[in-house]
Amino acid sequence: ETGVTQTPRHLVMGMTNKKSLKCEQHLGHNAMYWYKQSAKKPLELMFVYNFKEQTENNSVPSRFSPECPNSSHLFLHLHTLQPEDSALYLCASSQDRRGTAFYGYTFGSGTRLTVV
Amino acid sequence: DQQVKQNSPSLSVQEGRISILNCDYTNSMFDYFLWYKKYPAEGPTFLISISSIKDKNEDGRFTVFLNKSAKHLSLHIVPSQPGDSAVYFCAASWGDYKLSFGAGTTVTVRA
Repeated sequence: ETGVTQTPRHLVMGMTNKKSLKCEQHLGHNAMYWYKQSAKKPLELMFVYNFKEQTENNSVPSRFSPECPNSSHLFLHLHTLQPEDSALYLCASSQDRRGTAFYGYTFGSGTRLTVV
Repeated sequence: DQQVKQNSPSLSVQEGRISILNCDYTNSMFDYFLWYKKYPAEGPTFLISISSIKDKNEDGRFTVFLNKSAKHLSLHIVPSQPGDSAVYFCAASWGDYKLSFGAGTTVTVRA
């Protein structure tokens, strides 16, 4: 399998549930990202990992907890979410700083999350 | 603080005509600008980029223009095809590994 793969594609969870989103990239990229896309809003950067180290946490509430066990895998652990957290969560990867500038990110298809 | 703005949420164009998408930015530190295309139920895919030292970059039917003094860039699609119907995001690169995105413009190409 190639590219960036996200699972699950759709997730419905209650506010007291704990769930995890998974992202896997087979591109040999060094950096991985979580973005949130809400309706009619720009994509919001949540977390950046570079060589497995978190380099950016864009003031994300602690109910979102990322994990990057290696350069190919990225998780987003979710607990006690709110209905306003319902959105499309996109994972992305890029080769390096210059690759990011030239070619941007390679995105996964996203997980459509609904919090009820 | 939204640093990249796409002020037109939608654009409708006839097949064969030119589509022009616009984007404005506020941060002078941006060094690359990119356009992404997104179909429903898919992630955004990279379309074309331009360095801040250039004012034009062309790739087939797609041309991006950059006006640094006006902090404005645009994407021209000529000729527009039905498969171009999608949401287009403008993005700008700054710092290490960061991209800031606009809210997107939905393009509909009419037959």
